Amino acid sequence: TQLLEQSPQFLSIQEGENLTVYCNSSSVFSSLQWYRQEPGEGPVLLVTVVTGGEVKKLKRLTFQFGDARKDSSLHITAAQPGDTGLYLCAACYQAGTALIFGKGTTLSVSS
Amino acid sequence: GAVVSQHPSRVICKSGTSVKIECRSLDFQATTMFWYRQFPKQSLMLMATSNEGSKATYEQGVEKDKFLINHASLTLSTLTVTSAHPEDSSFYICSAREAATGSNEKLFFGSGTQLSVL
Repeated sequence: TQLLEQSPQFLSIQEGENLTVYCNSSSVFSSLQWYRQEPGEGPVLLVTVVTGGEVKKLKRLTFQFGDARKDSSLHITAAQPGDTGLYLCAACYQAGTALIFGKGTTLSVSS
Repeated sequence: GAVVSQHPSRVICKSGTSVKIECRSLDFQATTMFWYRQFPKQSLMLMATSNEGSKATYEQGVEKDKFLINHASLTLSTLTVTSAHPEDSSFYICSAREAATGSNEKLFFGSGTQLSVL
């Protein structure tokens, strides 16, 4: 059974601070995705990374995929209250199979 | 973009009743749909993989007789929680993979169903 370790589980910061969320596995990913979820709604895809060493940017969010395709990180610069939510990493270990989710990071940004 | 419609969004039922949740791919064909369960402030846990025209594959610890999955067409999968009990109260989410790509890069999620069993 593949396990996806995500940390930290909870993060409470002030507006303007930077933060990083980590996602690690002992197995190689086929692809990895980052989602954001609001209460009572389905997860919304932020980014998909498939190439080792890949870096993608989405406004203030920077996503990195480790060279060995076993880890990934999400960095948010100058966090804003609107960034508050549950962030989930999800990996596919074999093409065509289900996404396995990490435990999630609940982010709270206060003004 | 592709849309997955999930209904109902919220359901409250009495203990012992059965509840059906529908997941429809609106503008694409989905040979495979996945059902997840999510408890408050926790992540999504895969329950089962549903393939059109065949029996669903359940994850370890998920009772197939409790959570009946039917994927009768390329655009519809249903999850029926049979004889629901309070411990079945949870947020259920479906996702569908677009048949044309066969890739998880084209995986779309429904908006979820909040089930509350009294």
